Amino acid sequence: ETGVTQTPRHLVMGMTNKKSLKCEQHLGHNAMYWYKQSAKKPLELMFVYNFKEQTENNSVPSRFSPECPNSSHLFLHLHTLQPEDSALYLCASSQEAGGPDTQYFGPGTRLTVL
Amino acid sequence: QQPVQSPQAVILREGEDAVINCSSSKALYSVHWYRQKHGEAPVFLMILLKGGEQKGHEKISASFNEKKQQSSLYLTASQLSYSGTYFCGTGYTDKLIFGTGTRLQVFP
Repeated sequence: ETGVTQTPRHLVMGMTNKKSLKCEQHLGHNAMYWYKQSAKKPLELMFVYNFKEQTENNSVPSRFSPECPNSSHLFLHLHTLQPEDSALYLCASSQEAGGPDTQYFGPGTRLTVL
Repeated sequence: QQPVQSPQAVILREGEDAVINCSSSKALYSVHWYRQKHGEAPVFLMILLKGGEQKGHEKISASFNEKKQQSSLYLTASQLSYSGTYFCGTGYTDKLIFGTGTRLQVFP
């Protein structure tokens, strides 16, 4: 238990569906992150939020839409995904972004796009 | 900018030792080590700050050579529970970047 929770843990969706991933951290951190982890590939940073403001978008396609209503919650809204988007999506948090603070990860959502 | 880890994979028998290396092309402020078991979240193991610091965590320890811009993770007398993928995260003044990972498998 790292203090970061993610729901759902598994998600199967068609290419025309719309779904959302949720992340919540109970560590009092101010920064939250979305990562994509594909098989046999390194962690790919997608988005960074610091004090609810998006500070980094790593050229992520617009079919992924993040939302950070407060420092404890982070969402990733998904629509018209492609099969190659199937992966493990990890959420992480740290004290602040823009520095080398240790990041704590949630268990991830295993996404399968049919 | 991504740190390079070596080896990419290690296979061990219980009780054997292993070393995993992490190298950066840029000056480092810190190095973070994580372990991820299949289907689970990466779990933070330890952080090393610049200064040639060495740390230990049970039978897992690490060193950080600031001048060489590299860190090594030492696993001694490995146990079955050590199996997983080990990631280093290299800390710079403005961000933390994760390496490609080293897959470690320990067999009885």
